[in-house]
Amino acid sequence: NAGVMQNPRHLVRRRGQEARLRCSPMKGHSHVYWYRQLPEEGLKFMVYLQKENIIDESGMPKERFSAEFPKEGPSILRIQQVVRGDSAAYFCASSPSLDAFVSEAFFGQGTRLTVV
Amino acid sequence: KNEVEQSPQNLTAQEGEFITINCSYSVGISALHWLQQHPGGGIVSLFMLSSGKKKHGRLIATINIQEKHSSLHITASHPRDSAVYICAGVIKAAGNKLTFGGGTRVLVKP
Repeated sequence: NAGVMQNPRHLVRRRGQEARLRCSPMKGHSHVYWYRQLPEEGLKFMVYLQKENIIDESGMPKERFSAEFPKEGPSILRIQQVVRGDSAAYFCASSPSLDAFVSEAFFGQGTRLTVV
Repeated sequence: KNEVEQSPQNLTAQEGEFITINCSYSVGISALHWLQQHPGGGIVSLFMLSSGKKKHGRLIATINIQEKHSSLHITASHPRDSAVYICAGVIKAAGNKLTFGGGTRVLVKP
């Protein structure tokens, strides 16, 4: 089991470009969570998805950010027209069920986005 | 006030010293995780606790549900223990969503 896979590990974008971050959950996991870690700050919840459904996006900025988890393929976190303040580490975690994290927590290695 | 608070924010120890990191939470939780993050690295789950105490190698984690408090202890600390340690509560009222403490940056000097 390869674990939660995120790519790319590092991403550099110029202001105004789009950033696409990918997360492949662990085998058998159909629930994906995205978190953002701003420099010198703690992790903050962004969005919770199941296959083809957004369950909770209460932590997502209202503009420029979107997330999807299609029936096939990885979950994608998309940031349009990036700004310097989007520079952060973005982590995803996956779970096999609704009772996420009541047993174990599986995180990816993160994608470090730098906006120049 | 954050729902999950950690202390201290930073900690420096000499190799071999005993280290304690504290985590307090103000809401009902289903479980509490201790996570480790090395600089530029991913997040690794060390422990999940819902009651009592767990031990893995030189790491010990305890939780007191009544006092809403958990501790992570590192015995005989080593420079490779240098990392950020994060506690995260699984918040019942938020659909078992993870809420994170601010992290404790630990530096163990040789």
